[in-house]
Amino acid sequence: EVQLLESGGGLVQRGGSLRLSCAASGFTFSSYAMSWFRQAPGKGLEWVSTTTGSGRSTYYADSVKDRFTISRDNSKNTLYLQVNSLRVEDTAVYYCAKSPYSSDWYRAIDIWGQGTKVTVSS
Amino acid sequence: QSALTQPASVSGSPGQSITISCTGTSSDVGGYNYVSWYQQHPGKAPKLMIYEVGNRPSGVSNRFSGSKSGNTASLTISGLQAEDEADYYCTSYTSSSTLVFGTGTKVTVL
Repeated sequence: EVQLLESGGGLVQRGGSLRLSCAASGFTFSSYAMSWFRQAPGKGLEWVSTTTGSGRSTYYADSVKDRFTISRDNSKNTLYLQVNSLRVEDTAVYYCAKSPYSSDWYRAIDIWGQGTKVTVSS
Repeated sequence: QSALTQPASVSGSPGQSITISCTGTSSDVGGYNYVSWYQQHPGKAPKLMIYEVGNRPSGVSNRFSGSKSGNTASLTISGLQAEDEADYYCTSYTSSSTLVFGTGTKVTVL
């Protein structure tokens, strides 16, 4: 069974940092692009960042560029999101998600984790 | 990148058909056939319903269909059922190599 399990969320002060992790199982992790999305309380979904299967290419939303860093360890089947310089508006549930493609990640996102909550206090 | 525009809410009776629109620009919806639709029940993770405008993943009911005309994509749910009550989001690839979501639509089954 394909599973994505996020961890690392929590309460952090404005300006702080966190490292989110996503443990993948049930599929060949290195063959697929992986992404992070987020959803602020009572709001819609927002794409945050994506890395291709090899990890060589990364993409970011303007709202997180230069503050967040996506990475993956294919030997550990784990995706990461390093979040720095956190702002109150970064408060959200962060979802890890898989594309059925290695490079053409934008074509579809087929599997989602259950999310990890990040709360940034002022 | 501005969010794609969706109606805030759409409702219908069981058995009816409803259509949710998703309007963007030539830099996203109109420029690429990479529009997806996601269903999200309260407190749950999103679920892929349609990808690449009109393709249905395995396991998704054929009551769900997608289409596109110009800068507007649409999701149609036919034979509306109580379990279809959820939030629906469209998303599109953009000319900036990013992904943009729609504002979301709450579907209510009367």
